[in-house]
Amino acid sequence: DAMVIQNPRYQVTQFGKPVTLSCSQTLNHNVMYWYQQKSSQAPKLLFHYYDKDFNNEADTPDNFQSRRPNTSFCFLDIRSPGLGDAAMYLCATSRVGGFMNTEAFFGQGTRLTVV
Amino acid sequence: KNEVEQSPQNLTAQEGEFITINCSYSVGISALHWLQQHPGGGIVSLFMLSSGKKKHGRLIATINIQEKHSSLHITASHPRDSAVYICAVYSDKIIFGKGTRLHILP
Repeated sequence: DAMVIQNPRYQVTQFGKPVTLSCSQTLNHNVMYWYQQKSSQAPKLLFHYYDKDFNNEADTPDNFQSRRPNTSFCFLDIRSPGLGDAAMYLCATSRVGGFMNTEAFFGQGTRLTVV
Repeated sequence: KNEVEQSPQNLTAQEGEFITINCSYSVGISALHWLQQHPGGGIVSLFMLSSGKKKHGRLIATINIQEKHSSLHITASHPRDSAVYICAVYSDKIIFGKGTRLHILP
């Protein structure tokens, strides 16, 4: 059974129209990550939550926001999508404790198309 | 310079060949992760290791913490092994390499 679920798998949105991507997990992991992956590139970390603590990467555009209402769910909001935001968006979770990280689990990703 | 470097970037080989993909990193890490990504985007975890060697079927992963280097080996490669293989390290966050695109010809 899938442990990290992203919805939808494919999302088409209009230029400038707000869009929300969803990630849920059944692992009770304390850390959730959002990555953006463009074609033939490594996933780029946008932000992550350590429990309720939000950690934004310095170069993540203000256009990208996130919410984590509870342990299980995390949302990525793109306020005004541009053509350059078309990408695969990956959600991952891990449990962090002390000096050790447990294995990260990834969702299947949401492929966002901006038209 | 990227904190995680993979080589080669692209690799094409014949079915049955022994495959080696390398990962070097420049940051202190607690663990390293090898991932497989097929067309369509889904990422599958292959190995997570912090020392030594792990084996699963035809896949072998090794890590040398002192040298900050890890290798992923595939024995008796098969066309279904064709995918992008990504190295990711755990420091204060997960840092990904750019991936190695592997294509196994029948």
